[in-house]
Amino acid sequence: KQEVTQIPAALSVPEGENLVLNCSFTDSAIYNLQWFRQDPGKGLTSLLLIQSSQREQTSGRLNASLDKSSGRSTLYIAASQPGDSATYLCAVMGSGSKLTFGKGITLSVRP
Amino acid sequence: DVKVTQSSRYLVKRTGEKVFLECVQDMDHENMFWYRQDPGLGLRLIYFSYDVKMKEKGDIPEGYSVSREKKERFSLILESASTNQTSMYLCASSPPRFEQYFGPGTRLTVT
Repeated sequence: KQEVTQIPAALSVPEGENLVLNCSFTDSAIYNLQWFRQDPGKGLTSLLLIQSSQREQTSGRLNASLDKSSGRSTLYIAASQPGDSATYLCAVMGSGSKLTFGKGITLSVRP
Repeated sequence: DVKVTQSSRYLVKRTGEKVFLECVQDMDHENMFWYRQDPGLGLRLIYFSYDVKMKEKGDIPEGYSVSREKKERFSLILESASTNQTSMYLCASSPPRFEQYFGPGTRLTVT
């Protein structure tokens, strides 16, 4: 059974720092990997989708990488801002269209 | 832009009531999903539908049923609400094996 781990559970950084959020998964037979952002009490917003054949995807200050063979993905946030404070979740899609989620990393960016 | 809407943001029901949660998407997506999110447990899949009238159980289907009579609408039904079903309920939609888009969530409290 696929398991997705995100460590640490929480992270606090000063504004302006470049940071990396990690995600690991146990079964490398994935179809794609998706990173989401969740603000308190809200739904999930899709940030980036990486297909299994891709190594990375970029959107603005965000860059996500995927190393399927080692079961790892990273989300890089450049020049962090207080508005980036949220919970970031990664999820992997195996056979079918179902996602398995990590429990998320709660990021706090201090002004 | 993809839009997924949920019928209520907040809902309070009594134990034993029958509860309907509605989800509507406007992008003609084949797949629709219902999740619940609880602190410490993360997101867990309740039910999944890959076409009209088609459904598949997720990880925690006990105590729930679903209905998909039209492509754009997916309903989650709590046949007899219990206090352990107090949770945040999230609906999502997607094309097959592609990016999932989430609604704003319904926070359900069962007293």
